Amino acid sequence: DTEVTQTPKHLVMGMTNKKSLKCEQHMGHRAMYWYKQKAKKPPELMFVYSYEKLSINESVPSRFSPECPNSSLLNLHLHALQPEDSALYLCASSQEGGSNTGELFFGEGSRLTVL
Amino acid sequence: AQSVTQLGSHVSVSEGALVLLRCNYSSSVPPYLFWYVQYPNQGLQLLLKYTSAATLVKGINGFEAEFKKSETSFHLTKPSAHMSDAAEYFCAVSDRSGGSNYKLTFGKGTLLTVNP
Repeated sequence: DTEVTQTPKHLVMGMTNKKSLKCEQHMGHRAMYWYKQKAKKPPELMFVYSYEKLSINESVPSRFSPECPNSSLLNLHLHALQPEDSALYLCASSQEGGSNTGELFFGEGSRLTVL
Repeated sequence: AQSVTQLGSHVSVSEGALVLLRCNYSSSVPPYLFWYVQYPNQGLQLLLKYTSAATLVKGINGFEAEFKKSETSFHLTKPSAHMSDAAEYFCAVSDRSGGSNYKLTFGKGTLLTVNP
C-alpha cells in the first residue's frame, strides 16, 4: 500500500476544461513533488514544494498551476491543456532537513488523457 | 551535475536465471543512489538505496546492489528471476549539491522481461 494517495487515478479532459489532480501524504514529510511521465520514459520533475512554499519550478507552462494548501496536500490545477500533455502525473514526498537522503515516496499516479 | 546511465533499455532473462541491470553514475560529490521499480500503470516503488553506509545494499524482493566507487557503478542483481519481477527499473542519483531540496535524476530505465 502506498502512503502517498493520488486522485483521480484516471482523468479525461478536453482542451477547454479546468480540472485538478490531488495528492495527499500523512508521513509528516515537508517536501512534495509533481512529476510528469510519458510512456517508456523516466519521470520528469515539474515542481517542488518545501514547507508549503514553491521552491522549484522546472520551467513548466502556466497551464499547469500547483498549489500546496498545507503540508499534507498538494494539488495540480490544469487548464487549457494540449493533447501532448497526456501522461502519467506522479506525486511524491520526502523528508526535509538533515535526515533527507533524497529518497522519494511516490503515489500510484494519475493517468491524464487530453482530447 | 549528477547523472546516471543505464546500460540496456531492455533485458530479457529466463525464469530462475540471474538478473543483472547495469547503472553507472556521474557525481562530483559522494552520491546517494537508488533503484526504483515501476509495474505497468503504477507509481515508482523503492527497491533499495545507497546512502554511504555499507557498499552492498540489500533491498526488497531479493534484490541487491553494490556501490563501486572505482567503477562509478551501482548495478542491480537478483540471483533467481521470478515472473513477477517483470517491470521497468530506474536507477537514480540524488543531487546533494545545494539547497534543502534534493533533485532526483533518473536514468532512462531498463525494461526487464522474464520468460517462462
